[in-house]
This record gives sequence, structure tokens and C-alpha cells, in this order.
Amino acid sequence: GAGVSQSPSNKVTEKGKDVELRCDPISGHTALYWYRQSLGQGLEFLIYFQGNSAPDKSGLPSDRFSAERTGGSVSTLTIQRTQQEDSAVYLCASSSRQASDTQYFGPGTRLTVL
Amino acid sequence: QKEVEQNSGPLSVPEGAIASLNCTYSDRGSQSFFWYRQYSGKSPELIMFIYSNGDKEDGRFTAQLNKASQYVSLLIRDSQPSDSATYLCASGGGYNKLIFGAGTRLAVHP
Repeated sequence: GAGVSQSPSNKVTEKGKDVELRCDPISGHTALYWYRQSLGQGLEFLIYFQGNSAPDKSGLPSDRFSAERTGGSVSTLTIQRTQQEDSAVYLCASSSRQASDTQYFGPGTRLTVL
Repeated sequence: QKEVEQNSGPLSVPEGAIASLNCTYSDRGSQSFFWYRQYSGKSPELIMFIYSNGDKEDGRFTAQLNKASQYVSLLIRDSQPSDSATYLCASGGGYNKLIFGAGTRLAVHP
């Protein structure tokens, strides 16, 4: 594909439900990042995958958040037992090698927890 | 804690003027710096990156980096209403994640 894709574009869920957000990076990009952006706020780093290395999970806000990347390509961010404060836009980005390389962002998933 | 600081704005400039956006960073080990533009409701898109001290020009945009002062700026010449957006500054280094500032909102009025 030409760019980073994310699905769904919008997700409305009830408090306490689990959600899965998907990211498909640019083909050939080995680095993948998840960020969260609350309304009117900057980007909050969540997790970083680089090739086959162990992911950098230092930004995950709680153990309700987890992410995996299968086959070094597609990534899924899972939020268990969602809370209203989880409502935000979840952005995925990919880069060719490392954070010092340009990151290209997907369109984001807008999550609303009722 | 590694931080990137930006004035939240809004920075209001008249059409045709130069808009100057500033950013400071705390991590002296940062090696690369990025400016992203984000329109309301959209995802960030890269405007420029800079690695070396000095100026880097691309069309109407000039990025300036001063590592001694830990300061990065973005100048937009001949500002247009279409430049109205939030501009995010980010620093990075090695295999670490990018650190983003909260962004500066720019408003260019006709």
C-alpha cells in the first residue's frame, strides 16, 4: 500500500468492553509505533516495535493496554476493560529503520468509550 | 524526563507574513528533529527534518537547529491561510521513540 492504514477509522464502545485496533504499516518498514492523542493534546507515545527486537512498552499507561506485531508487519493494539479516559485518537506510524528516521502516520482510529 | 516544549499559541499572523514557530528540547543526546503539521481532525504529516546545526530550507519552509541552545525553529515565509494548523516539533535519537511537543497552533488570517 501507499501509506500506513488503520482500522477501524471510528470505534464506539461501552465502558468495560475490550477493543482491538489494527495498523498496517508501509511495506518494508521495520519500525512501528503507536501513539495516543487526546482532544487538543500532543502525541503520547505508547509502544514501539523494531524488527524482531523486544518492543519498547514504556509508554503503555496500564496493563489493560497491550500490542502485538505479527510477522513483522501488521500490529494490533488491544485495550481491555475500556474506561472513558481511554477515549482518544490512536495513531500508528512506521519508519524504515529507527526513530531517527522519518515516521509516517496513519489516519488514526477515533475511540469513544461511553 | 526527556521533554520537548512548544508554546501552545495560537500564533496569529497576517497572510504573506513570516510565521516563526519555536521549540526547545531537554535531551542533549537528541540527534534528529522533525516538524509535523496537523490539520484539525487529521493525522500529522511531515514538513521537514533537520539533523545538523544551522538552517535547512525547503520551499517556503526553513528549519533552524541550534544544538548548543537545544533550540529548533520553523519559519514559514509568505504564510497562507492554508498553513493554518497545529505544528508539532519532535526530537529523536538512536533507537528510541520520538518525543513530541504538544504543538503550536498557527492561524494565518487574510
